[in-house]
Amino acid sequence: EVQLVESGGGLVQPGGSLRLSCAASGFTFSTYWMHWVRQAPGKGLVWVSSISSDVSITRYTDSVSGRFTISRDNAKNTLYLQMDSLRAEDTAVYFCVRGASGWIGTDYWGQGTLVTVSS
Amino acid sequence: QSALTQPASVSGSPGQSITISCTGTSSDVGAYNSVSWYQQHPGKAPKLMIYDVSNRPSGVSNRFSGSKSGSTASLTISGLQAEDEADYYCASYTTSFTYVFGTGTKVTVL
Repeated sequence: EVQLVESGGGLVQPGGSLRLSCAASGFTFSTYWMHWVRQAPGKGLVWVSSISSDVSITRYTDSVSGRFTISRDNAKNTLYLQMDSLRAEDTAVYFCVRGASGWIGTDYWGQGTLVTVSS
Repeated sequence: QSALTQPASVSGSPGQSITISCTGTSSDVGAYNSVSWYQQHPGKAPKLMIYDVSNRPSGVSNRFSGSKSGSTASLTISGLQAEDEADYYCASYTTSFTYVFGTGTKVTVL
């Protein structure tokens, strides 16, 4: 069974940093693209970042480029999102999402971890 | 990248069919057949319902179907059931090698 379990969320002040983790199990993590998607309270889904299976390719939405860094440790089956210079508008539930195999898109989602940026 | 446009809400009675539209541009929905649909119940993670415009993952009811014409994709739910009441989001791959989601549609079963 595919499982994605996020952790690391919490309350942080504007300008602060936070690192999210996503522990993956139930599939061969090292062969899949992985993604982060966020959802502000009461709002829609927004794609944040993607990373290729071999770490060679990373992509970011414009609003987080230069502030967020996606990474992964294939030996530990773990995906990360380092978030720096956090702003109030980064407040959201952050979902760890597996990239699909054989087609372009995403299939399995974690339950999410809440990040609140507030003073 | 602007969000894909979906109606804010759609409603129907049990047993009826409803259709949700998802309008993008030639840089996303119109560029590839990489359109997916997700169902999200309150407080839950999104669930994949349709991929590659019209394909259903294993375990998803055949009451859910998808299509696309030009830069507009559609999700149809046939034989509407109470359990279908949820938020629905479309998503598309883009020519910038990124992803974009729709604005979301709240489906209400009357």
